[in-house]
Amino acid sequence: ETGVTQSPTHLIKTRGQQVTLRCSSQSGHNTVSWYQQALGQGPQFIFQYYREEENGRGNFPPRFSGLQFPNYSSELNVNALELDDSALYLCASSPGLETQYFGPGTRLLVL
Amino acid sequence: DQQVKQNSPSLSVQEGRISILNCDYTNSMFDYFLWYKKYPAEGPTFLISISSIKDKNEDGRFTVFLNKSAKHLSLHIVPSQPGDSAVYFCAASAIQGAQKLVFGQGTRLTINP
Repeated sequence: ETGVTQSPTHLIKTRGQQVTLRCSSQSGHNTVSWYQQALGQGPQFIFQYYREEENGRGNFPPRFSGLQFPNYSSELNVNALELDDSALYLCASSPGLETQYFGPGTRLLVL
Repeated sequence: DQQVKQNSPSLSVQEGRISILNCDYTNSMFDYFLWYKKYPAEGPTFLISISSIKDKNEDGRFTVFLNKSAKHLSLHIVPSQPGDSAVYFCAASAIQGAQKLVFGQGTRLTINP
């Protein structure tokens, strides 16, 4: 059984560009959540998908969007990147609305 | 509006002694609480959780205590080991709805030999 995996591990983009981050859920997990962790802070909830439907959203603008696929893998898309979007992006999966298990994260740097 | 607070950014403990990490919350709708440990360049690793119907949950060296009236929880690690050195995050959620986790800012625990 594999855990949660994320790609890429690191990414550098320039302001105004768009980025797509990917996540493969742990086997058997049908819920995926995305979090943003700024330096020195705790992770902040972006949104959650349950069985391919958005199941809740945090205080992030619409340029943050997501998808969950039938195999329960997921994408986080961010349009019109801003400098403040530089952060560690974490994906977490869970079997339903249970304990969330995190991947290693993607570190995004916006220049 | 920081709904979950970890007021100690860092804690240093002697190997073999007890480590006590604290967390306070303000939202009375929270009824499920978790602790995660994070090493550099890794994602948070789930440690232990507690539901609001309990006041204590134990798993090996880790025990979480919940004081609902004070809106306070703590994580006890005993005995502390060098491998416990990491950043510890407290998180809370309401079972109903999206079960989004609201995290504290983290406490960096250092275990000294």
